Amino acid sequence: AQSVTQPDIHITVSEGASLELRCNYSYGATPYLFWYVQSPGQGLQLLLKYFSGDTLVQGIKGFEAEFKRSQSSFNLRKPSVHWSDAAEYFCAVGADYKLSFGAGTTVTVRA
Amino acid sequence: NAGVMQNPRHLVRRRGQEARLRCSPMKGHSHVYWYRQLPEEGLKFMVYLQKENIIDESGMPKERFSAEFPKEGPSILRIQQVVRGDSAAYFCASSPEGTDNSPLHFGNGTRLTVT
Repeated sequence: AQSVTQPDIHITVSEGASLELRCNYSYGATPYLFWYVQSPGQGLQLLLKYFSGDTLVQGIKGFEAEFKRSQSSFNLRKPSVHWSDAAEYFCAVGADYKLSFGAGTTVTVRA
Repeated sequence: NAGVMQNPRHLVRRRGQEARLRCSPMKGHSHVYWYRQLPEEGLKFMVYLQKENIIDESGMPKERFSAEFPKEGPSILRIQQVVRGDSAAYFCASSPEGTDNSPLHFGNGTRLTVT
């Protein structure tokens, strides 16, 4: 069975500071991993995805994520946060055509 | 180039009524997926459809819920005799292919409130 754990429910970060969101997964084979962002009242937007190859993945809006097989992790990072990054972030692992999502991490950005 | 379109954005139903949620996939996409997001939880897979076929409904409750994706028109998620526990955000996604390599494109969701 596949599952995703996002240990941090809520993170507050100052504008301009760095951000790291944790994601741990459980999956029986090579995983397909995704990060999505959801702004209030909106749908999910794909930030980045990992299928294979380079374990450091670049995404949109200045985000990147690193796949670490030994730690079963796929943490999301951004060097300098902007106020517009305040949103909820979901990590997901895919199998076939289904995605299993974590419960999400809400990011608050303070001025 | 419109994305995945869902309507209505908000839907209020009384207990026992029926709820119909619509989803038009992105142009060129023939695979549709419905997910449900309960409060303070991540999205959960419900059903996967192609035109006129249900491919996988393993995430759908066995009773009161049904989905279709007709040859013409949008995909419909139908909930009969709604209960308060059905209150959630329902998201539709589409993809050109139904494989792991085809990222899902999500709509903005329909927020169902059952009173």
